Amino acid sequence: ETGVTQTPRHLVMGMTNKKSLKCEQHLGHNAMYWYKQSAKKPLELMFVYSLEERVENNSVPSRFSPECPNSSHLFLHLHTLQPEDSALYLCASSQEWSRGYANYGYTFGSGTRLTVV
Amino acid sequence: EDQVTQSPEALRLQEGESSSLNCSYTVSGLRGLFWYRQDPGKGPEFLFTLYSAGEEKEKERLKATLTKKESFLHITAPKPEDSATYLCAVSYSGAGSYQLTFGKGTKLSVIP
Repeated sequence: ETGVTQTPRHLVMGMTNKKSLKCEQHLGHNAMYWYKQSAKKPLELMFVYSLEERVENNSVPSRFSPECPNSSHLFLHLHTLQPEDSALYLCASSQEWSRGYANYGYTFGSGTRLTVV
Repeated sequence: EDQVTQSPEALRLQEGESSSLNCSYTVSGLRGLFWYRQDPGKGPEFLFTLYSAGEEKEKERLKATLTKKESFLHITAPKPEDSATYLCAVSYSGAGSYQLTFGKGTKLSVIP
């Protein structure tokens, strides 16, 4: 299997549940990302993992917790979410940036459509 | 103020009717401008990267151009299969080296 694979494709969870989203890439990339896509809003970067560092958007609530056990796998752990967290969650990967910035296109997965009830 | 603005928000074209999508940006120190295509229920698919004013790239019916403050995605003789949301994103020196800042996208519908 090639590309970036996300599971599950759809998830409905209650506000008290704990669930995890999974992302796997088979491209040999060494940077992985979580993005949130809400209707009528731009894609919002949540977390980045690269060979050397993890970077997060400080505005992301602590109820979202990322985990990156190796360069091919990325998880997003969810707990006590709110209805406004309902969105499409996208995983992406890329080659490590050269010359200090990301000049390669990302490869995105198909996303997990999350609904919080 | 949005740093990346795409217009129009939605565009309906007849098959074969050429047009352009616009992406304007207000950031300084542009490192790269990216175009993506997103189909319903799928993640964005990378199309182009442009690095400097005057640069152009082409892929099938699509041609992307870049000036100092905006980029255009020209669609020549579109077909129904070109229907999708087109996203523009920038990487710039004022943001983290890892970060792409996206616009809200233009939803293109091509009618047979």
